[in-house]
Amino acid sequence: AQSVAQPEDQVNVAEGNPLTVKCTYSVSGNPYLFWYVQYPNRGLQFLLKYITGDNLVKGSYGFEAEFNKSQTSFHLKKPSALVSDSALYFCAVRREDYGQNFVFGPGTRLSVLP
Amino acid sequence: SQTIHQWPATLVQPVGSPLSLECTVEGTSNPNLYWYRQAAGRGLQLLFYSVGIGQISSEVPQNLSASRPQDRQFILSSKKLLLSDSGFYLCAWEELAEAPETQYFGPGTRLLVL
Repeated sequence: AQSVAQPEDQVNVAEGNPLTVKCTYSVSGNPYLFWYVQYPNRGLQFLLKYITGDNLVKGSYGFEAEFNKSQTSFHLKKPSALVSDSALYFCAVRREDYGQNFVFGPGTRLSVLP
Repeated sequence: SQTIHQWPATLVQPVGSPLSLECTVEGTSNPNLYWYRQAAGRGLQLLFYSVGIGQISSEVPQNLSASRPQDRQFILSSKKLLLSDSGFYLCAWEELAEAPETQYFGPGTRLLVL
């Protein structure tokens, strides 16, 4: 079975500081990993995904994520946080073999303080 | 480019009344379609998914049903709403030609059952 954990319910960071939102996963076989962002009363927006290859994946709005197979992690990062980055962030995983749906983590609320 | 629409954006309904939420996708053919519910601004619960016209899979037994009368139309229904049906309903689609498939979300419908 697949599962995703986002160990932090809330992350607070000062504007201009680097941010990290953590994600760990459990899946048999090769994983496909995704990050989404949700602003209040909006749908989820796709940020980036890991398929294979380079462990550092770059996405939208200056975000990047690092895949670590040995630690089964896929942490989301940004070098310099903006107040406008404040939102709810979801990590998701799906298996390489099709037919399995996405499994989403519980979400992490990011607050960037001015 | 592809777009996904949901309506209505907001809905307030009394307990016991019927429900119909609509989702349509433009700019793609034969997408997989999904209905999720998000409670209290947190985790996503997969309700239904469809791989084609008339093909519906239910993930959680509940008071709701789904139908796909056309290739790019996905409808979520209920004959009698319960208080527990309140939440934020999200429709998503995925492009089968893209590997791995990424799910793209609509703007959502906020349902309040009183």
